[in-house]
Amino acid sequence: DIQLTQSPSSLSASVGDRVTITCRASQGISTSLAWFQQKPGRAPKSLIFAASGLHSGVPSRFSGSGSGTDFTLTISSLQPEDFATYYCQQYKTYPLTFGGGTKVEIK
Amino acid sequence: QVQLVESGGGVVQPGKSLRLSCAASGFTFSTYAMHWVRQAPGKGLEWVAHISYDGTYQLYADSLKGRFTISRDNFKSTLHLQLNSLRAEDTAVYYCARSISGVGFDYWGQGTLVTVSS
Repeated sequence: DIQLTQSPSSLSASVGDRVTITCRASQGISTSLAWFQQKPGRAPKSLIFAASGLHSGVPSRFSGSGSGTDFTLTISSLQPEDFATYYCQQYKTYPLTFGGGTKVEIK
Repeated sequence: QVQLVESGGGVVQPGKSLRLSCAASGFTFSTYAMHWVRQAPGKGLEWVAHISYDGTYQLYADSLKGRFTISRDNFKSTLHLQLNSLRAEDTAVYYCARSISGVGFDYWGQGTLVTVSS
């Protein structure tokens, strides 16, 4: 199985900050990587597909990059509604696997 | 608009069974692969099962060891997950999700809570 390691597991940031979350795969997955946002008590929301594609309706302050084994989710200017937990997921091979999550908290 | 609405969750005793459903609307259900994903309380996301658009191909997480069965009724635009021999560690919110080749998951349901407890 492909393991995904996210870092950091949590971070504190202020509104307006630039935030970067990384996701490392245990083997190459090309660009078959997605990012999701989840708020407490809510279903995950799809943000990024194919490592850098933005789902419809997702604000442009969210961006993704990377290929192979190393990936990044960047929020260019953190907004109050962005405080949540973020997960990466690979869909290159089955079983599909998720990273452990990164909780973005208010500083 | 695309909607996925899960149902069927509840409290069940260990060893018992439960059938979850996911009602789809706002899109042509029969042309999309579907998945179930679960999340134990306070934990991360875990992929459970996949079914092809026509129901002919299914894949499961190894950890389920044959206890769960995914199926679909394209005439009723409904996805199902049969959970058998339930264990305490199956306690989780179960989400259905739609997927697109090359894109992965795009839409998720709101989830249904399954609690396995005596």
